[in-house]
Amino acid sequence: NAGVTQTPKFRILKIGQSMTLQCAQDMNHNYMYWYRQDPGMGLKLIYYSVGAGITDKGEVPNGYNVSRSTTEDFPLRLELAAPSQTSVYFCASSYEGSLGANTEAFFGQGTRLTVV
Amino acid sequence: GDSVTQMEGPVTLSEEAFLTINCTYTATGYPSLFWYVQYPGEGLQLLLKATKADDKGSNKGFEATYRKETTSFHLEKGSVQVSDSAVYFCALTSASKIIFGSGTRLSIRP
Repeated sequence: NAGVTQTPKFRILKIGQSMTLQCAQDMNHNYMYWYRQDPGMGLKLIYYSVGAGITDKGEVPNGYNVSRSTTEDFPLRLELAAPSQTSVYFCASSYEGSLGANTEAFFGQGTRLTVV
Repeated sequence: GDSVTQMEGPVTLSEEAFLTINCTYTATGYPSLFWYVQYPGEGLQLLLKATKADDKGSNKGFEATYRKETTSFHLEKGSVQVSDSAVYFCALTSASKIIFGSGTRLSIRP
């Protein structure tokens, strides 16, 4: 059981380039999330999704886009990379519990992105 | 909105010392509460959880009790080991989101 898989693990981008961070989960979770973690800091929510075809902004969505065409995949798109987007990006998924609340999240190993 | 506040680090202890990491929360509903741990170079992994008031979550010698009256979920361990060195995050569920505290870096000296 692979859990949450993120690719790539590392990437260096030049300012203005674009890229897509891939995230896939095989646990049939309906909720998926993208977080960024800056050095020595906590996690900030970029975007999240409660199911295929539904996405919503978190606290730091500017400069990013997402899509959720299937339950399994939740890619994160950077259109015009900026140095401020240098960070470690984590994808996570969770499922809806019996009372309608989501339960614990399962995390990928992260993508370390540097924009120069 | 809902939020989590946890004690700032870094925290440095000697092996076999008692550990407390404080966590308080603000929430409008009845959230589930979690502690996650992040080892160097890895993603976060669930350490323990509690889903309702007075529940106690426990795992690997760590414990935390969901205290609704004080809106707290403090992490404790009676005797820490060098292998417990990591960053610890308190978190809660809020509607469809999971909200994390800022993390507390713990270092254990042999």
